[in-house]
Amino acid sequence: DGGITQSPKYLFRKEGQNVTLSCEQNLNHDAMYWYRQDPGQGLRLIYYSQIVNDFQKGDIAEGYSVSREKKESFPLTVTSAQKNPTAFYLCASTEGPTDTQYFGPGTRLTVL
Amino acid sequence: QKEVEQDPGPLSVPEGAIVSLNCTYSNSAFQYFMWYRQYSRKGPELLMYTYSSGNKEDGRFTAQVDKSSKYISLFIRDSQPSDSATYLCAMTGGFKTIFGAGTRLFVKA
Repeated sequence: DGGITQSPKYLFRKEGQNVTLSCEQNLNHDAMYWYRQDPGQGLRLIYYSQIVNDFQKGDIAEGYSVSREKKESFPLTVTSAQKNPTAFYLCASTEGPTDTQYFGPGTRLTVL
Repeated sequence: QKEVEQDPGPLSVPEGAIVSLNCTYSNSAFQYFMWYRQYSRKGPELLMYTYSSGNKEDGRFTAQVDKSSKYISLFIRDSQPSDSATYLCAMTGGFKTIFGAGTRLFVKA
């Protein structure tokens, strides 16, 4: 059963800590994306990757980092430099850059 | 000015009503237009995908694109309580997809 998985579903972080959000897909898609969703706002692009070992900053990359060592995996690290990290984080993938995006179930991060 | 404008609602309708959801956009380079449905605390799921101007129908859902006016719509016929969700429009051109803020829809039984 193909799809995108994200873990954990809920994550709590203390201020000053780095945390890593997992995203795995078995759709054989080349491109993967990380978005942040805040109430009343559209999805904002954090990072995207079109191919293994390559990724680009999106509109709000400051305070975040990613890696793309495998085609199936695109983890996102929220660093202590991100000043307002509490949000709903969504991972997505596409076969190609102009194709429709398929989303994972999301991770809700709360900073305590 | 935002590239995509979408009324956040909320929009509340009785069961069985016809719902009209809309987005306007400013970038004429957008070529592909999508509608996603997002239930609370879930990831968005693709509902409709269109390329050209005109209408596309899928069951109770109709997507309409007017490129000359830079305006897209989603119509839901015979709305059901299970349609209660946030509906996001999205459009893409080149390597970037832009999402609207989403319209919250409540369908009352």
